Amino acid sequence: DTGVSQDPRHKITKRGQNVTFRCDPISEHNRLYWYRQTLGQGPEFLTYFQNEAQLEKSRLLSDRFSAERPKGSFSTLEIQRTEQGDSAMYLCASSLLAGAGTDTQYFGPGTRLTVL
Amino acid sequence: AQSVTQLGSHVSVSEGALVLLRCNYSSSVPPYLFWYVQYPNQGLQLLLKYTSAATLVKGINGFEAEFKKSETSFHLTKPSAHMSDAAEYFCAVSPASGNTPLVFGKGTRLSVIA
Repeated sequence: DTGVSQDPRHKITKRGQNVTFRCDPISEHNRLYWYRQTLGQGPEFLTYFQNEAQLEKSRLLSDRFSAERPKGSFSTLEIQRTEQGDSAMYLCASSLLAGAGTDTQYFGPGTRLTVL
Repeated sequence: AQSVTQLGSHVSVSEGALVLLRCNYSSSVPPYLFWYVQYPNQGLQLLLKYTSAATLVKGINGFEAEFKKSETSFHLTKPSAHMSDAAEYFCAVSPASGNTPLVFGKGTRLSVIA
């Protein structure tokens, strides 16, 4: 069990550029979550997948954000036309859904995005 | 909608003193509750979780939390603080069915003074 990994750990970009982040979950986990955390706040839910199906998207996820999990393993989060307000830590979590109430989410180290 | 309130954005204790971090939730039914810890520039690590099996939950690193339905609280405690406990602590909730995205509180930063 190598844990949840995220790449890159840090990303600095200029306003208007596109960025893509990757998350590799714990290998047998079928659920994958994306959260965003701004300074001084708790993580806020963005979207989540069960296997390759995207089950829910938060209202925080504007049209500039898109997430995929094409083969039910790793996931990517893309932000198009970045804005300074997108600067945040983007956290990925995975879990194994094996029955009611069994979901415990394990978090990766996060990707810190800075938009200049 | 579910929500979590963490009282006190910053708590400071002396090394060896009791740690008490407060969390209150709002939910129409008893939910699943979690405490996570975050060290600087790292992701969140699960400390403990409540899933209705027992009201007193023991976690890692000597932490425990007690679910009190009458007070809608899930406060985190540790009898004796260590310097290594200095971090940000987050309380989170998910509905009674579990298996959903978490709703987090704003966090409490714990400082431990030597």
